Amino acid sequence: KQEVTQIPAALSVPEGENLVLNCSFTDSAIYNLQWFRQDPGKGLTSLLLIQSSQREQTSGRLNASLDKSSGRSTLYIAASQPGDSATYLCAVFYNTDKLIFGTGTRLQVFP
Amino acid sequence: EPEVTQTPSHQVTQMGQEVILRCVPISNHLYFYWYRQILGQKVEFLVSFYNNEISEKSEIFDDQFSVERPDGSNFTLKIRSTKLEDSAMYFCASSAYRGTQYFGPGTRLTVL
Repeated sequence: KQEVTQIPAALSVPEGENLVLNCSFTDSAIYNLQWFRQDPGKGLTSLLLIQSSQREQTSGRLNASLDKSSGRSTLYIAASQPGDSATYLCAVFYNTDKLIFGTGTRLQVFP
Repeated sequence: EPEVTQTPSHQVTQMGQEVILRCVPISNHLYFYWYRQILGQKVEFLVSFYNNEISEKSEIFDDQFSVERPDGSNFTLKIRSTKLEDSAMYFCASSAYRGTQYFGPGTRLTVL
């Protein structure tokens, strides 16, 4: 069964810290992997997409890496800010027509 | 910047009633999706739609659900006879190809 797991489930850090969010998937035959941000009661904002042939993608203070062979992706957030507080979701796209989501990491950055 | 829109933002209905959730995908996108998120749970795939037909559906998407693209811009999800367990946030998404999926703000469905 294709499953996606995210750890930690919750994270609370002081402003300015660099942090790493982890995503693991059971089936390494992925097509791509997408990271999202979800604010409470809101929709999903796409942050980064990594194709299966890529090792990493960067957007501003965000860097996502992909290691297919070990079934893992990490989202690195540099110099965290209170505005980064949200739930971060990892979702995997296999050679089908659906994203399979992880349970998310709830991040709180305090001033 | 183009975005996916959804209406209504919140729908309250009585059990057994029909509801239609509406979405306007990004205009040049070809792939359309519905997902749902029950409070406190994972986002779950319901159905994907391409070339005017369902390309994949989950086991959640039973005979009570249907999707339609009635014109060139709207994409709808119909639930024929709502149950209490259908209460969730429903998200529409679209993509230009089998790549980045862009999500709408969601419709919160409450079944009483």
